Amino acid sequence: NAGVTQTPKFRVLKTGQSMTLLCAQDMNHEYMYWYRQDPGMGLRLIHYSVGEGTTAKGEVPDGYNVSRLKKQNFLLGLESAAPSQTSVYFCASSYVGEKLFFGSGTQLSVL
Amino acid sequence: SQELEQSPQSLIVQEGKNLTINCTSSKTLYGLYWYKQKYGEGLIFLMMLQKGGEEKSHEKITAKLDEKKQQSSLHITASQPSHAGIYLCGADKTSYGKLTFGQGTILTVHP
Repeated sequence: NAGVTQTPKFRVLKTGQSMTLLCAQDMNHEYMYWYRQDPGMGLRLIHYSVGEGTTAKGEVPDGYNVSRLKKQNFLLGLESAAPSQTSVYFCASSYVGEKLFFGSGTQLSVL
Repeated sequence: SQELEQSPQSLIVQEGKNLTINCTSSKTLYGLYWYKQKYGEGLIFLMMLQKGGEEKSHEKITAKLDEKKQQSSLHITASQPSHAGIYLCGADKTSYGKLTFGQGTILTVHP
């Protein structure tokens, strides 16, 4: 069982560069989420999706864009990376009202 | 400010000791989730509580949700080094499965 797979696991960017984080789940979950984790802040929701073709803003959406063209994939994009976006990013998926399954995370450093 | 407050922020115990981690919300919750995170890894689901007064146990870990569904506690009996990690509570305030997380409690267990 692959579960939730995130790629890449590590990435270093220079300020102003762009990149896309890919999340894939094989559990046929309707809901998918992107969180960021910073020291002392817990996990904060960036964007989420309740189904293919739909996305919505979470708690900290500025500077990020997302797309859910296929039910199993949820992409997180940074158009112009900033040092404040240095963080660990987690993708998760779930059925409605049930527990979230998390990926292993992507550690991103923006210099 | 955090909508979910966890206490303590960190905890160091000797192996074999019991411990309790608390999670408090100012609002009534639809569901309360406990996750554990090992350093550098993703989140592992522990337990979900949905009913006021509910209590669940798994191995040496017991989680409770109060009658008002605003406070939860996680209790570990006879702690072991394998219990070390970051414990996070997550709350569903909307019933749509979008979780808000506390800032986490770092648990260290000395052999």
